[in-house]
Amino acid sequence: DAGVIQSPRHEVTEMGQEVTLRCKPISGHDYLFWYRQTMMRGLELLIYFNNNVPIDDSGMPEDRFSAKMPNASFSTLKIQPSEPRDSAVYFCASNDREWTEAFFGQGTRLTVV
Amino acid sequence: RKEVEQDPGPFNVPEGATVAFNCTYSNSASQSFFWYRQDCRKEPKLLMSVYSSGNEDGRFTAQLNRASQYISLLIRDSKLSDSATYLCVPNTGRRALTFGSGTRLQVQP
Repeated sequence: DAGVIQSPRHEVTEMGQEVTLRCKPISGHDYLFWYRQTMMRGLELLIYFNNNVPIDDSGMPEDRFSAKMPNASFSTLKIQPSEPRDSAVYFCASNDREWTEAFFGQGTRLTVV
Repeated sequence: RKEVEQDPGPFNVPEGATVAFNCTYSNSASQSFFWYRQDCRKEPKLLMSVYSSGNEDGRFTAQLNRASQYISLLIRDSKLSDSATYLCVPNTGRRALTFGSGTRLQVQP
């Protein structure tokens, strides 16, 4: 398996623009997680899905953030409109059951100018 | 109190040294945990899983002290390649993993 695949790897956008991050989890994994990492706040959970259903979105910072998982092999995290404080590395991770190793994608480094 | 707290470091140690990090957690019911390793500008990767009081894997030893609610990671005979950030992940009872902010280790020649 190729592992968790994220795209794009890098994104630079202007404030106010819409940003869409993409993730393909490992095949057969029922859980998908979106994390954000910054120097100040570390690795924070934004939202996670189980069997394509959002379970906990309490970490989503604002209404500007939304996430979807239309099928078992694809998820998106959208920021609209983007702001400079959204600049961070966004990781997607997946695993196949509760409290097991989560496998991370290589992340998307987002810069909002 | 934060769910997970770690000393950010950096810990600067010479090659061959033994170094230990601690991680404190707030959920007294935690009985298992992970240590993840994250290299600079890379994704976190699992280093060790612990489902009881401790685990040992080569130069790495992880222990859980339930009474004091801390987790430790001991690295013996440090290598240059051990330079990374180490993230502890106690089982907080939530299905999603809750990561500490990490401890940075720099092994020097």
